[in-house]
Parts: sequence; structure tokens; C-alpha cells
Amino acid sequence: AQTVTQSQPEMSVQEAETVTLSCTYDTSESDYYLFWYKQPPSRQMILVIRQEAYKQQNATENRFSVNFQKAAKSFSLKISDSQLGDAAMYFCAYRSSSQGGSEKLVFGKGTKLTVNP
Amino acid sequence: NAGVTQTPKFRILKIGQSMTLQCTQDMNHNYMYWYRQDPGMGLKLIYYSVGAGITDKGEVPNGYNVSRSTTEDFPLRLELAAPSQTSVYFCASKGGYSNQPQHFGDGTRLSIL
Repeated sequence: AQTVTQSQPEMSVQEAETVTLSCTYDTSESDYYLFWYKQPPSRQMILVIRQEAYKQQNATENRFSVNFQKAAKSFSLKISDSQLGDAAMYFCAYRSSSQGGSEKLVFGKGTKLTVNP
Repeated sequence: NAGVTQTPKFRILKIGQSMTLQCTQDMNHNYMYWYRQDPGMGLKLIYYSVGAGITDKGEVPNGYNVSRSTTEDFPLRLELAAPSQTSVYFCASKGGYSNQPQHFGDGTRLSIL
């Protein structure tokens, strides 16, 4: 079974600075998807960014980018120019791309990000 | 476009009571999911459905039941509520293409006392 590990329960960053959240995963599959979800205090689960394992290019979405290291099974999230609204729990998630599967997500335990003004 | 709608948002139950958490989506998605999120933890899959009439167990199905009679609705039923079921419950849906992400509802906070 696949597992996702987020080794940083909490992180903090100064407003306008850059922070990197770590995620590692374990799988025997070669094709899969990786996601970062943001959960603010409102409790919503908001998709931040996704990466398809067969793509070598790292995904970017405005101030958010990932460092995807397939061989190392590492998928870190970099937030540039941090804003107060970035404060939230961040979850890393894995999904198999096997055809006919459940396409369920496997989540890490999350990293709580605090942004200091 | 409402997306995924969950009701209720909050509920307090007594031990042994039963209730149904409602989930509906208006995106014509085949895949639907129920997750629970315990304090300080990530989401864990309870049940999922790949289409109307088809459901299957996830990681933590004990104490729950689901049905999927229509594409839009995927209710989660708790029978004989126990304190261990105190959690936040999320419903999600996903379209049929592999590269599509899951869309989440806003969650239901359930306390069992």
C-alpha cells in the first residue's frame, strides 16, 4: 500500500519570504499523481497544485511550485512571497493512475503553516 | 455551479443514535468518496463509489454504510454512533478522466457524546 509522509508538523515563515514544505511517499508504481491541498481554518480542502509522475517538468501555479524528485520519491512544495492568506494546513496526497482503480487519495498527516507579519 | 454539497455542517449525536450525512454533486462525476479527518491527521477513506449502484470499502469502513442510487447522491450512514466516530467528514467527487482532481465539499463536523 502506498504511504505519504510529511515530516514537518509545523512550519513558520515571515510574510514575503519563501518556505518549503516536505513530502515523501512510498510506492511501487511508476505512474501516479501527486497533489498539495490547502486547508484553511474554514476547513475547505483547496487544491493548490498537482504533478503527474510521468512529467519531468516541475509543476508551478503562480507563487506555488514543486520540486518533484521521482527517484527519491520526494515532492516538496515551495511557496514564494508568502502572504498572510497562505496560513493553513497543507496536505500532500498520492493517487495511483491505474486504470479501473478507485482513484482514491492517500494523504499525509499535514503541515501547519504559520505566516508571521 | 454548486460543486459538492454536504449537509449538515455540524451535528451532535448521542451514543447509540443513527444519522445520515448527505452529499450531492452537480458535476455529473462518476467517482464519489467519503473521508474522515481526525484531529491532527490527514484524511482517511471510509467508502467510495465508481458509479451509481457500485460502492466499495476504503481504509476505515467499520461502523458506516453507504448507498449510491443516483449519480448525484452518495449518503453516508452511521449506525449506533460511537465516540470514536467523532470527526470531520468530507465528501468528494471526481470526473472520469484520470488527470482530473477530486473536488471536496466543505465538511461535516460530527460530535458524539
